[in-house]
Amino acid sequence: DTGVSQDPRHKITKRGQNVTFRCDPISEHNRLYWYRQTLGQGPEFLTYFQNEAQLEKSRLLSDRFSAERPKGSFSTLEIQRTEQGDSAMYLCASSTGVDEQFFGPGTRLTVL
Amino acid sequence: DQQVKQNSPSLSVQEGRISILNCDYTNSMFDYFLWYKKYPAEGPTFLISISSIKDKNEDGRFTVFLNKSAKHLSLHIVPSQPGDSAVYFCAASEAYKYIFGTGTRLKVLA
Repeated sequence: DTGVSQDPRHKITKRGQNVTFRCDPISEHNRLYWYRQTLGQGPEFLTYFQNEAQLEKSRLLSDRFSAERPKGSFSTLEIQRTEQGDSAMYLCASSTGVDEQFFGPGTRLTVL
Repeated sequence: DQQVKQNSPSLSVQEGRISILNCDYTNSMFDYFLWYKKYPAEGPTFLISISSIKDKNEDGRFTVFLNKSAKHLSLHIVPSQPGDSAVYFCAASEAYKYIFGTGTRLKVLA
């Protein structure tokens, strides 16, 4: 399977704990995106990488959130001191240009 | 402010008939528009797209229409099939940034 993969698929954590998610994009894709989706909403843009450079972060991304893409390959999204409001589906997508993005299956985070 | 709006949260259509899903946007700088389909527990899947310089793009049963003066786009599915039942998101992009609508749940009745 050469699609976008995300790990883990589900994460349950207690409030105040740190969590880290991983995304492996399609290998030749230089663009990588993180989104957050809550019930009844569309995906909300969080951040964007072109190769290893993080070019934009949404205002939604508080200082408790950090994302990296070392060497322009896989990416990680870390949430520190999780809050119940962080409960959502976190989606990763990759692309080569301005057209279609390929999404991973998402990581569902539940903060108790 | 919601730059991309899907005002119909749900739509039911008989199998074989046409499904029309609508999307409105406010930012005239958007240069690319896309439709995605999403099944439960999966990420969105790309369906069809259209550049802002075009007014129609067709791919099999799916056609997207863009009316720039009205800042409106629509997705037509003909004929609708039960397997088309899913949530459909429209998205608009300016350079590398994508803004998604809230989705329309389509149910195709057999």
